[in-house]
Amino acid sequence: GAGVSQSPSNKVTEKGKDVELRCDPISGHTALYWYRQSLGQGLEFLIYFQGNSAPDKSGLPSDRFSAERTGGSVSTLTIQRTQQEDSAVYLCASSLDMKGFSSNEKLFFGSGTQLSVL
Amino acid sequence: QKEVEQNSGPLSVPEGAIASLNCTYSDRGSQSFFWYRQYSGKSPELIMFIYSNGDKEDGRFTAQLNKASQYVSLLIRDSQPSDSATYLCAGCSGTYKYIFGTGTRLKVLA
Repeated sequence: GAGVSQSPSNKVTEKGKDVELRCDPISGHTALYWYRQSLGQGLEFLIYFQGNSAPDKSGLPSDRFSAERTGGSVSTLTIQRTQQEDSAVYLCASSLDMKGFSSNEKLFFGSGTQLSVL
Repeated sequence: QKEVEQNSGPLSVPEGAIASLNCTYSDRGSQSFFWYRQYSGKSPELIMFIYSNGDKEDGRFTAQLNKASQYVSLLIRDSQPSDSATYLCAGCSGTYKYIFGTGTRLKVLA
């Protein structure tokens, strides 16, 4: 696609329910990131996928969070047993590759999913 | 804890003035730095990246990097009301993990 696509754009759920957030990166981008942004805060790194390598999950805040990337393209972030503190905007970003210091490193962000846990 | 720190602002400047946004980082392994602009309710978009000491200019924007002082700045000349946004500084240690600051909110007053 022309840009990074995320769905849904808004998700309201009840505490304790599971949610799935989807990200479709730019075609050909091998690197995919998930970030979380709480109101008025910066971007918190969650997870990184690069090609077929094992993902870096070091930013996932708890074992209720998981993510997968199928076929090196679409990614799904799953939050189980949601809590109110999970409410935030979840941003997905992709980049072409990391081959050194160049504009290829720049991240293209999707429009995010606003998650509200009641 | 590797951090990127920014003053949250708001930084208010009159239209036509130079806006100066600053960022410090703690990870000496960081080698490339990025400035993203984020309008309210929108996703971040890249406006500048820099990896060499010194200045890098692009139109009205100048990024400055001082690795000895672990300091990155963004200057916006001839500021316009449309520049009003939150500016996020990010460092990357040459692998892939971008560390973002909390952002500085800029207000350009007409």
